[in-house]
Amino acid sequence: AQSVTQPDIHITVSEGASLELRCNYSYGATPYLFWYVQSPGQGLQLLLKYFSGDTLVQGIKGFEAEFKRSQSSFNLRKPSVHWSDAAEYFCAVGAQGYNKLIFGAGTRLAVHP
Amino acid sequence: NAGVTQTPKFQVLKTGQSMTLQCAQDMNHNSMYWYRQDPGMGLRLIYYSASEGTTDKGEVPNGYNVSRLNKREFSLRLESAAPSQTSVYFCASGGQVIAKNIQYFGAGTRLSVL
Repeated sequence: AQSVTQPDIHITVSEGASLELRCNYSYGATPYLFWYVQSPGQGLQLLLKYFSGDTLVQGIKGFEAEFKRSQSSFNLRKPSVHWSDAAEYFCAVGAQGYNKLIFGAGTRLAVHP
Repeated sequence: NAGVTQTPKFQVLKTGQSMTLQCAQDMNHNSMYWYRQDPGMGLRLIYYSASEGTTDKGEVPNGYNVSRLNKREFSLRLESAAPSQTSVYFCASGGQVIAKNIQYFGAGTRLSVL
């Protein structure tokens, strides 16, 4: 069965510091991988996605993620965090030919000035 | 572009009351979804509709019913609300299966059952 694990429930970083949010997935075939962001009181917005090809994908708001098949990981990174990045981040996995997504429990990011 | 629109945004119910959450999308998507979001549990799929006229259970369907009214609209009904159904509910829509599962979300409905 597919599953997604986000090991960090809460992360706090200082503004300007780098950020890495971890995501591990379990799926037998080549997965489709996604990162969504949820600002307080809002719905989810797609940050980036991986389907195939280059394992380093770029998204909106200066985020990037790297797919590592050997580690079953799809970690999200940003070189310099802004206060407006404070939100909850969700990793999700989908399957080819299958129109459902499985979400991780989320990581809540706080940014200190 | 409205995208995915959910109504109402907030609702308070008493145990045993019924209500319907409405969702409409204007992106001509085939697939629509209902999720619930609870602290520490991420989003869990309640029901989904792969195309007009079809619906299927997700991970947590008990206590809910859905109707795919047409291609645009997908409603979620609580027949007899329970406190365990206090949650934030999100509707989402997505393209064809071959569109690789990208889903677009509404702003959510915050439901409290007393």
